[in-house]
Amino acid sequence: DTEVTQTPKHLVMGMTNKKSLKCEQHMGHRAMYWYKQKAKKPPELMFVYSYEKLSINESVPSRFSPECPNSSLLNLHLHALQPEDSALYLCASSQDKRSISSTEAFFGQGTRLTVV
Amino acid sequence: GEDVEQSLFLSVREGDSSVINCTYTDSSSTYLYWYKQEPGAGLQLLTYIFSNMDMKQDQRLTVLLNKKDKHLSLRIADTQTGDSAIYFCAEKNAGNMLTFGGGTRLMVKP
Repeated sequence: DTEVTQTPKHLVMGMTNKKSLKCEQHMGHRAMYWYKQKAKKPPELMFVYSYEKLSINESVPSRFSPECPNSSLLNLHLHALQPEDSALYLCASSQDKRSISSTEAFFGQGTRLTVV
Repeated sequence: GEDVEQSLFLSVREGDSSVINCTYTDSSSTYLYWYKQEPGAGLQLLTYIFSNMDMKQDQRLTVLLNKKDKHLSLRIADTQTGDSAIYFCAEKNAGNMLTFGGGTRLMVKP
């Protein structure tokens, strides 16, 4: 199983709503990532979790709040978003650097978020 | 900081070989990856290469790495119309960060 599963696939939310994006993997990977991708642009790193601890926060506004409840799950809580936050949000996972091997980094299919 | 660059666009005829190039600056890169993204979809991992290798072949895909020049390429043999997509190279450093190039849009003409 080399899948990273993201739900929902599509989400439309108002600027006052609170919603959550979910990501799940069962490959035993201990590094998990959130990326934001605007149309025709490369993915931009938002957060990195390593062994369930936040290790990198790329100066992301506090209206995005990540959570890693266990080694298989990664959430992104959304609150008071702006229309410019509309994008494809991608989750990824890989072995952590402390593993003997640290090879593939797999991505989910993404959640296409529209803020209205 | 890290910088990964790719050319924006490549057009080939069906059956020809495609070569997509990428340059990077981070000398602490551990792994380098090639991803394919079709419209509206996530990123599909195509192949990767460890930084102490110089070549890897996987069916129609050949990855060449020149570590001295920090140059990575992806060759797709016998390119098909289904290969039309955006191709991203990415490098992973010792800190687990994945940095992407800007993507190369490959168009395959019948």
